[in-house]
Amino acid sequence: DAMVIQNPRYQVTQFGKPVTLSCSQTLNHNVMYWYQQKSSQAPKLLFHYYDKDFNNEADTPDNFQSRRPNTSFCFLDIRSPGLGDAAMYLCATKTGRTDTQYFGPGTRLTVL
Amino acid sequence: QQQVKQSPQSLIVQKGGISIINCAYENTAFDYFPWYQQFPGKGPALLIAIRPDVSEKKEGRFTISFNKSAKQFSLHIMDSQPGDSATYFCAASRSGGYQKVTFGTGTKLQVIP
Repeated sequence: DAMVIQNPRYQVTQFGKPVTLSCSQTLNHNVMYWYQQKSSQAPKLLFHYYDKDFNNEADTPDNFQSRRPNTSFCFLDIRSPGLGDAAMYLCATKTGRTDTQYFGPGTRLTVL
Repeated sequence: QQQVKQSPQSLIVQKGGISIINCAYENTAFDYFPWYQQFPGKGPALLIAIRPDVSEKKEGRFTISFNKSAKQFSLHIMDSQPGDSATYFCAASRSGGYQKVTFGTGTKLQVIP
């Protein structure tokens, strides 16, 4: 049973054309994360939500925004994708009481 | 102080052999040390985790050894199988609530028949 679902799995966009990636979870976890992972690199945290509280990493570009309309869903908006934004985007969740993060399968973003 | 150093970057092991990946951390406030396994095109999945109150944890063929005084921990994969071929990330964080996870740089393991 899928617990952290990401859609789409593959996204192709054009340089500068806004794109939205989505994440949903059936775990009822209150913490949700967005990571960017480039080839042969570790995941890089972009931001996270603790319930409705949003926390941006200091080095996350302004081009990246996020929304969490409810516990189950979280969105990553890239307002003007550049070639350097091509990457795998990973969503992860956890509860506030435990330490294990559960990752989704990722969305592979290609920027043409 | 937030870094987790991981080595080797890549590893080739014959089927049936032992794969060993090492990590070192600096921040003594870290108290949760997970290992993630990632297959190509997939998200990372928790493989095994340890806390600093134990020196070793074993789950099947996977063992974490932890040396608190040296601030080092390692993953041993016994009887390595071709299906173990993946990228392995060590990580460290503080427990509870929201805590940022610091990942190692990853080790690409290839197990050859």
